[in-house]
Amino acid sequence: AQTVTQSQPEMSVQEAETVTLSCTYDTSENNYYLFWYKQPPSRQMILVIRQEAYKQQNATENRFSVNFQKAAKSFSLKISDSQLGDTAMYFCAFMKRRYGNKLVFGAGTILRVKS
Amino acid sequence: EAQVTQNPRYLITVTGKKLTVTCSQNMNHEYMSWYRQDPGLGLRQIYYSMNVEVTDKGDVPEGYKVSRKEKRNFPLILESPSPNQTSLYFCASRARNGGYGYTFGSGTRLTVV
Repeated sequence: AQTVTQSQPEMSVQEAETVTLSCTYDTSENNYYLFWYKQPPSRQMILVIRQEAYKQQNATENRFSVNFQKAAKSFSLKISDSQLGDTAMYFCAFMKRRYGNKLVFGAGTILRVKS
Repeated sequence: EAQVTQNPRYLITVTGKKLTVTCSQNMNHEYMSWYRQDPGLGLRQIYYSMNVEVTDKGDVPEGYKVSRKEKRNFPLILESPSPNQTSLYFCASRARNGGYGYTFGSGTRLTVV
């Protein structure tokens, strides 16, 4: 079975600064997907960024980037130039590539951006 | 607009009174899934469906039922709700290519008293 661990229950960052959220996972699979979802106070689940495990290049989406370390089973999210609208719960999630019927989520990290 | 629509958004009910949370997607997705979100536990899968008439249990299926009679709809049924089913519920769907993850509905906050 796969597990996902987010070791930081809460974090805060000043507006315009950079913050990194940690995520580690455990799996025996070789091909899989990793995701970061954002859940603002509206509680909508929004896909922030995704990574395919067979791609060595780290994914980037505007101010969001990941540091994917496959051997270490680590998948951290870096948010640059933090904005007040980035305040949210962030979930790291894993899904098998083959017959992947579910996302396995971490417990989440609450990020607060301060002005 | 491509979306997953679930209703109701909020629901308060009493123990033992059967209820249904509806879910519909307009993206022609094969896969659909229900999750519950609880503090400190993240989201956990309740049931999933890979296509019409194909459903299976997720990690926390006890006390829930689902059906998939049409590709677009995947209702969640609580036949005899109990207080431990008080939670935030999400319906989600994805295409056969899972690389883009699941698209989520806006959630249903259920309180069972």
